[in-house]
This record gives sequence, C-alpha cells and structure tokens, in this order.
Amino acid sequence: SQQGEEDPQALSIQEGENATMNCSYKTSINNLQWYRQNSGRGLVHLILIRSNEREKHSGRLRVTLDTSKKSSSLLITASRAADTASYFCATEGEMKTSYDKVIFGPGTSLSVIP
Amino acid sequence: KAGVTQTPRYLIKTRGQQVTLSCSPISGHRSVSWYQQTPGQGLQFLFEYFSETQRNKGNFPGRFSGRQFSNSRSEMNVSTLELGDSALYLCASSLSRVGVGNNEQFFGPGTRLTVL
Repeated sequence: SQQGEEDPQALSIQEGENATMNCSYKTSINNLQWYRQNSGRGLVHLILIRSNEREKHSGRLRVTLDTSKKSSSLLITASRAADTASYFCATEGEMKTSYDKVIFGPGTSLSVIP
Repeated sequence: KAGVTQTPRYLIKTRGQQVTLSCSPISGHRSVSWYQQTPGQGLQFLFEYFSETQRNKGNFPGRFSGRQFSNSRSEMNVSTLELGDSALYLCASSLSRVGVGNNEQFFGPGTRLTVL
C-alpha cells in the first residue's frame, strides 16, 4: 500500500472557508511535502516540513507534522476559487532505509465554490 | 531560471510500439526523477537519476528504462507498449539526490501518453 494516504478523498467548500486535508504515512521520513495539481497538469510544490519540525506556514497555508502519529495536515485558510485542485502529500524517506525515495499519497480533490 | 521542460507534451502510440520521453531539468539540478500518474494507481515513482546513474527504482517492469546525460537531461523509454501504460508521465528535478538533505522537487508539465 502507499506510504502516504490523504483524507478526505474529496472536499467541497464555499469560498472564504478553511480547508483541512490530512495525510498519514507508515515509515520513518526525512520530510513530508505537499503539492498541488491543477486538472492533470504538473505538480506545484507548496511546502516542505522536515521531520524535526512540527508546524510551518506559507501565506495562507499551514502545515503540521506529528511524527509520533505519522500524520500531517494541510490547512488552507480563506479559500479562493483558484485553490480548486488536487492536493498530494509526499514523503521522502531516510537514506538508510529502503524508502529513500519520494512516495505520493492518492490525493485530496478540493473544490472551492465561488 | 527556466522551469522543468518535458517533450513531447502529448503522444499517441499503439500497442507493441516503443516510446522515448525527454526531460530537461532546471539548470544546476542534478537529480531527475520520473513518475507515472494514472487515475487508478495515482502517482507512482519510476526511477531517479543522479550524475548519469540510476539511484532508485520503483516497482515497474524492465520495459521501463531511462538514462541521464552529462548535462543532466534525462530520457525515459518504454518498450512494447501496453494499454495500461497510458498515463501522464511527470519528471521532477532537484538539486541533490532524493533522501539526501531536504530537497524541493520541481515538476515539469508532463507528457500525456495514450496507447491505442
């Protein structure tokens, strides 16, 4: 099964509301990254959080990481229609383990209704 | 800096044919990773190249291969195409190897391959 798994699979909210997506993973990681993808196009890197960090902010994005629970959350505040996209979490494993590559979760499809 | 470029953007092939996709990383980036994205399997790691050597490989058959040139440009080849190979193929570049340090990966727009 995949290393990272997002929850929920799909989310629909009104413009201006906050959107929260969760990601769980299974093994030790170097870092966890969140990406956005618009309608089958390339991925855009949003934020990287290292394994020794607990929270990180970037503009309207807030990411938390709980390594004891092997989970992360992405919060998008004051959502806009332009935030409509699929959001993926990806874990980068430690070099000393076999998971020394980036593994993506199945993604959360976010729809922001104007 | 120019972003990651991939050519061609769209490709239609028939079963049994072979295909070569190209990826030019961001200038100065030495790592290129390839991913396959399908509706059923999601984003799956194919392989990573760094300094012209394959460093990591995902769980794909030997029909999928790649190489990297001295200028860090990379190509991916799929031989004996099957219907299930229809997918969006994404490449990503980063400064150093996956798993070394904390690298941001920059993705190209992808090549959409359709196998008929």
